[in-house]
Amino acid sequence: DAKTTQPPSMDCAEGRAANLPCNHSTISGNEYVYWYRQIHSQGPQYIIHGLKNNETNEMASLIITEDRKSSTLILPHATLRDTAVYYCIVSYNNDMRFGAGTRLTVKP
Amino acid sequence: GAVVSQHPSWVICKSGTSVKIECRSLDFQATTMFWYRQFPKQSLMLMATSNEGSKATYEQGVEKDKFLINHASLTLSTLTVTSAHPEDSSFYICSAEITTFSYMNTEAFFGQGTRLTVV
Repeated sequence: DAKTTQPPSMDCAEGRAANLPCNHSTISGNEYVYWYRQIHSQGPQYIIHGLKNNETNEMASLIITEDRKSSTLILPHATLRDTAVYYCIVSYNNDMRFGAGTRLTVKP
Repeated sequence: GAVVSQHPSWVICKSGTSVKIECRSLDFQATTMFWYRQFPKQSLMLMATSNEGSKATYEQGVEKDKFLINHASLTLSTLTVTSAHPEDSSFYICSAEITTFSYMNTEAFFGQGTRLTVV
């Protein structure tokens, strides 16, 4: 019952920016957009989240459209260690409902 | 960032036995913790929401008598898989909720997961 749509897979060249899109057209006004990633056989790692303004931290930037129906996670300089499944989630109370995510493969 | 620790990281048990998995918030208090299950090549599925001092709330289709959750303190929640069978073999992951004052909302941090194999 995930409320987001993401492409199943993407490739990115090492050192280039990785732009991961997410559609969440049914997002409610009080729901945040969260991004997590999961490297094989590990627990999900928090990346970033936002409500309506663009956000940036040491890992990534989050661009949310003005109508909040979609967002993009940007990894500015992808490395091989960024290869993972990236999950975009909308939630207001932290019971994160995971969709299938995007498998990002960073290639040398 | 906040640290959530699960124990054990992996466990192998015999069919019919019970297994307890611990989830601890190491540097913060968590009134709410969540338990997930992940089968190979699938996404995480929320099993239940665990609230300190009260009964857990289970998702539809999750047997509460089979997956016993106890959240007796603000830093510890446990998941017990009772009478485990091979089909219960999975990756079990917990998360804990923390309030961040910068956003005045909550964030969830995940444990490293526990791989259960029932033979």
